[in-house]
Amino acid sequence: EIVLTQSPATLSLSPGERATLSCRASQSVSSYLAWYQQKPGQAPRLLIYDASKRATGIPARFSGSGSGTDFTLTISSLEPEDFAVYYCQQRSNWPVYTFGGGTKVEIK
Amino acid sequence: QVQLQESGPGLVKPSQSLSLTCTVSGASITTGTYYWGWIRQHPGKGLEWIGHFFYSGSTYYNPSLKSRVTISVDTSTNQFSLELTSVSAADTAVYYCAREGDTAKGYFHHWGQGTLATVSS
Repeated sequence: EIVLTQSPATLSLSPGERATLSCRASQSVSSYLAWYQQKPGQAPRLLIYDASKRATGIPARFSGSGSGTDFTLTISSLEPEDFAVYYCQQRSNWPVYTFGGGTKVEIK
Repeated sequence: QVQLQESGPGLVKPSQSLSLTCTVSGASITTGTYYWGWIRQHPGKGLEWIGHFFYSGSTYYNPSLKSRVTISVDTSTNQFSLELTSVSAADTAVYYCAREGDTAKGYFHHWGQGTLATVSS
């Protein structure tokens, strides 16, 4: 099983600041990694797939990078609606998918 | 635009089976080359992939749940279902049904709102 470890667990930032979230895989997943945003009481929302491709309708302030075992989600300038929990997911080990444990981005 | 809606009993007794249904609208389960799946989220915790299927192909399950899980499809009603047997409190979670994206293959782009299933006597 491929284990995804996200860090930090919590990120405390102010609106307008840059957010950098990390996802590390226990073995290479090539570029087969996605990022999701989840707000309280809502389903997850796909932001980034295949490490760096933005999903339909996702603002340009969200960007993804990385390959192999180390990945980063960057939010260039936090908007009030960006405070949420973010998860990574791999599909490299198809048909078995795994998710990371999540990073909460909270208002400082 | 494809929409998914989960339904099922909110409360299940320990050792019994949990059955949930996902009703799909705006698209047919039998059209295209999409995988449809189930994901759950324990209260206050992260996401756990349960399984997914292609309607005319195979169904795949999380190895940790495989012995207790069955995903089935009813194309006449455009629904698919999840059955989880021998449930315990550890199966209390919000259960989501979802579909992969048009280009985001292997990732869940469309989600239902989720339904809470509580296992308790």
